[in-house]
Amino acid sequence: KQEVTQIPAALSVPEGENLVLNCSFTDSAIYNLQWFRQDPGKGLTSLLLIQSSQREQTSGRLNASLDKSSGRSTLYIAASQPGDSATYLCAVRDQAGTALIFGKGTTLSVSS
Amino acid sequence: DGGITQSPKYLFRKEGQNVTLSCEQNLNHDAMYWYRQDPGQGLRLIYYSQIVNDFQKGDIAEGYSVSREKKESFPLTVTSAQKNPTAFYLCASKGGNTEAFFGQGTRLTVV
Repeated sequence: KQEVTQIPAALSVPEGENLVLNCSFTDSAIYNLQWFRQDPGKGLTSLLLIQSSQREQTSGRLNASLDKSSGRSTLYIAASQPGDSATYLCAVRDQAGTALIFGKGTTLSVSS
Repeated sequence: DGGITQSPKYLFRKEGQNVTLSCEQNLNHDAMYWYRQDPGQGLRLIYYSQIVNDFQKGDIAEGYSVSREKKESFPLTVTSAQKNPTAFYLCASKGGNTEAFFGQGTRLTVV
């Protein structure tokens, strides 16, 4: 059964720092991987979607990479800002099913 | 405005009561999902539907029921059989192999 792990569970950085969030999955047979942001008490906001045939996707200061063979994805945030403080979740859609399978998230705190 | 709307935002349930959470989307997506989020547990799948009049159980379906009579709507009923219903409930929709979109969630509390 597919399992998704996110490390670290929490991260605190000063403003302006570049940082990397990690996501790993146990079964490499996936259709795609999606990164989300969640603010406290709110729903999930989609950040980036990477299809299984792609290696990376970029949106503004965010860059997500996918190494399907090793079961890993990273979310790179450049020049972090206090407004980036949130929980970041990764989820995979694997070939065994249609639903997204989530990691438990990384809670990011960026201090000014 | 395209998107997913969940209502209500907050819901209180008495012991032994059934309650229904609403989820509506105008994105013309075929697939819809219900997840439950508890602190430290991540999101767990309750039910999903890939097409009208069809739905499947997820990992934690016991004590919940759904219907999919219209493409736009996927209501979730939390029955009295669900012994620990206090949680944050999230609805999502997805079209084909594209990205999934989520609603703003419903926080259910047992009183």
